[in-house]
Amino acid sequence: KAGVTQTPRYLIKTRGQQVTLSCSPISGHRSVSWYQQTPGQGLQFLFEYFSETQRNKGNFPGRFSGRQFSNSRSEMNVSTLELGDSALYLCASSLDRPGYGYTFGSGTRLTVV
Amino acid sequence: LAKTTQPISMDSYEGQEVNITCSHNNIATNDYITWYQQFPSQGPRFIIQGYKTKVTNEVASLFIPADRKSSTLSLPRVSLSDTAVYYCLVGLNTGFQKLVFGTGTRLLVSP
Repeated sequence: KAGVTQTPRYLIKTRGQQVTLSCSPISGHRSVSWYQQTPGQGLQFLFEYFSETQRNKGNFPGRFSGRQFSNSRSEMNVSTLELGDSALYLCASSLDRPGYGYTFGSGTRLTVV
Repeated sequence: LAKTTQPISMDSYEGQEVNITCSHNNIATNDYITWYQQFPSQGPRFIIQGYKTKVTNEVASLFIPADRKSSTLSLPRVSLSDTAVYYCLVGLNTGFQKLVFGTGTRLLVSP
C-alpha cells in the first residue's frame, strides 16, 4: 500500500516569503502530525490533526500553521520565513489506535536563503 | 511525558548483535515503548513497540523488564545498512498524539 507522501521533496525560499507543504497520509489514517527536524534541535513536534481538527500543538510561533482536509490530507504553512526555519519537515500518519506506530513520510527539505 | 536516556553513539561490526538500552524512569502505567530508526534525510521508520516482557518481529526484539524503567532494542546480526539513528520513545497511549524524540543513538556498523 502507498506510504505517506510529502510534496515537494525540496524547496528553496527567501526570507520573508511564505511556504505551503503538503502531506497525503496512508489511506484510512485519520491522524496526521507534523515535525521539524534540525541538526541543533533534533525532531520537534509541530502539531497534530485528526478529523480536520487540530488536536495537539507544539511550542512553535504562530507563523507555523496547518490544516487538514476531509480526505485527511494535510497542509502546513509557514509565513514570514526566517533563516532558522531551514529544516526537514516530516509528516506522520496513524490510525489513531492506542499504542499504534506512526508512519512517517520522507519529508520536505526547506532551505531559507 | 516520560523522558528517555540513550547512549549518544555505538559502534559495531557486521554480523554482530547490537543491544541499545534506553532508560525511562518516569514511564506511566499506560505508556508503550516504541523504537524508531532513521536514515539521513528520511523520516523515522517504526521498528518495534512493546508494553512489557519481550516482543519480537522480523527486524528486532524488544526486552522490557518487570519494572519497565528501561528497555533494550536488540538487532541480530547487523549489516552495514543498519547504520542509522535509533530513537526510543515512550508515551503512545490513548489520547497521546505527539511523539517526543530524544537525541537518539547513532549506530555505526563497520565491515
